[in-house]
Parts: sequence; C-alpha cells; structure tokens
Amino acid sequence: DQQVKQNSPSLSVQEGRISILNCDYTNSMFDYFLWYKKYPAEGPTFLISISSIKDKNEDGRFTVFLNKSAKHLSLHIVPSQPGDSAVYFCAAEGGGADGLTFGKGTHLIIQP
Amino acid sequence: NAGVTQTPKFQVLKTGQSMTLQCAQDMNHNSMYWYRQDPGMGLRLIYYSASEGTTDKGEVPNGYNVSRLNKREFSLRLESAAPSQTSVYFCASRVLAGMLEQYFGPGTRLTVT
Repeated sequence: DQQVKQNSPSLSVQEGRISILNCDYTNSMFDYFLWYKKYPAEGPTFLISISSIKDKNEDGRFTVFLNKSAKHLSLHIVPSQPGDSAVYFCAAEGGGADGLTFGKGTHLIIQP
Repeated sequence: NAGVTQTPKFQVLKTGQSMTLQCAQDMNHNSMYWYRQDPGMGLRLIYYSASEGTTDKGEVPNGYNVSRLNKREFSLRLESAAPSQTSVYFCASRVLAGMLEQYFGPGTRLTVT
C-alpha cells in the first residue's frame, strides 16, 4: 500500500503563474517531508523540506505547506519558470525507519 | 568535489548473469543508500548503510546484496539478474542517518533480457 501518494501524474502551468503540486500520506509516524526535483537522466536534487511540527516553510520561489490533520502537503512555485519543468517527487521519513519513502512523482510542464 | 558518483551509467545483462553497481561519495557522509526507480513509480529503497560497517534491508531487498567497502563506497550486487530487476538504480548519501537531505548520484540504467 502506497504511503506517499501523488495523484497527479502531470501538471501543465503557464510561465509566470503559480504551480501547485500536491501530496498525500497515510503514515502518521512520518516526521519530515521533502520535495525533490528530477530532470531526465539525472538523479533527484533536493528542493525544500518541512518538519511535521511546522505548517509552512519558504525558500525563495518555493513554499511547502503541511496540513497534518488532513495528511496533505503541497508545493507552491511562484512565479513558475521554464527551468522548473521537471518531475517533482514528494518524499517522507520517520517512524524510526531510515531512508525516504517516495511518491510516484508529478511531471510539471511550464508552458511559455 | 564530485558528490556522488555511480558506475556504470548503462548496463545490459542476460538473465542469470551477475554484476556489481558501484557508488562512491566524496562528501565524508556517514550514511549511504540504494534505491531503484521503475517507470511511473517513485524511488524505492533497496538497502542502506547508516554508518560504515552496518547495512540494513529497505523496502525491496530481495535479489540484491550490498557491501559498505569503506566510508566512501557502497556497492550493490545482483547475483543472478532477472528481468524484474530492469530499472534505474540510484545511490544516495547523507551526513548522518536522520539528517534530512540525501544527495543522489546520476543513476545506473540496467536492462536484463
């Protein structure tokens, strides 16, 4: 059973607009949530993270929101730029287990 | 400072052949990880090494073995490759188990025919 779910396989957004990527999780033991960005033929690169005791973390154009009661987090990218076109993975860690649990990813396409 | 390096980049094996995927990091990290990514799927943890001298199973360890050769190097071995092991394999490292960010290598694309 998938513990981290990204239900949108792809998302198309116009350049300059806001991109919102969503992620749901089922394991209430997760302590931390992370977003990774992946270009084709490269490894994932870390983007931003949030602790389960916070509800928002911001880094430049990227903001992650966590709604613990709904077991939902989202990544907001404002404004969206062409270089943001990539696959975005939501990941989680916690409950005493080492290593990350990943969602299936959302392919973000920024349209000019 | 190369970060995390993986060799080879591509490999084709026949069913039943064996091979070792190599991973090295030059960031003096203590923890290292092996993940696999299948089409349309997220990355899944195969094995990890929280520190030099220790290894533990992840979510999908069957058919694999690992060796933490030293602090820098963590190898993944397929003793008898199967088509179900066709995947892209990523190695990652981080300062300590429990620290947040993991740094990933560029991946090894493995095809088993």
